[in-house]
Amino acid sequence: EVQLVESGGGLVQPGGSLRLSCAASGFTFSRYWMTWVRQAPGKGLEWVGNIKEDGTAKYYMDSLKGRFTISRDNAKNSLFLQVNSLRVEDTAVYYCVRDEPGYGAYELWGQGTLVTVSS
Amino acid sequence: QSALTQPASVSGSPGQWITISCTGTSSDIGSYNFVSWYQQHPDKAPKLMIYEVTKRPSGVSNRFSGSKSGNTASLTISGLEAEDEADYYCCSYAGSVFFGGGTRLTVL
Repeated sequence: EVQLVESGGGLVQPGGSLRLSCAASGFTFSRYWMTWVRQAPGKGLEWVGNIKEDGTAKYYMDSLKGRFTISRDNAKNSLFLQVNSLRVEDTAVYYCVRDEPGYGAYELWGQGTLVTVSS
Repeated sequence: QSALTQPASVSGSPGQWITISCTGTSSDIGSYNFVSWYQQHPDKAPKLMIYEVTKRPSGVSNRFSGSKSGNTASLTISGLEAEDEADYYCCSYAGSVFFGGGTRLTVL
């Protein structure tokens, strides 16, 4: 089955860090750009950033640069999002998505993992 | 940071058609044919309904259609059904990717 499964979310204090993971299966992971999208409770979707097939290029939402880092391990069919210096406003469900069939077009989504930043 | 503007809510009766607009600028929607639309039911992941302005992924009903004129893209849903009640988001690529604020569709 073609799927993406996120993990690693949880409750963290402001200033803390988390590493989110996304396990891909059912398709050739190394052939796709991958993206993270987040959604704060009751709010809209927000593009976080993406990473090229081989990991050599990464792009981020301007306001997140320096705190969020996307990486991947193609040998393990896994995508990661390292989130540092977390703020209350980073509270959201974080979705792992596959970049396809086009720019800004995401047909395959994970179920999401909830990150709650609170003291 | 680009901002795509959508109406907060729209409504329609079963069998009718509705249109949701998504207004951007000449730098995003006006410059690229990379507009997509997503449907999201409560507590579910978004579902791609339209991409590259007018294309439908396999399995998406032909009751859903997309268009663009100038800096505004639109999603039209014909023959409204109860299951269409959901939040809808537009998305545009403009060097980076931006989502609209979302529109709540209520089927009366």
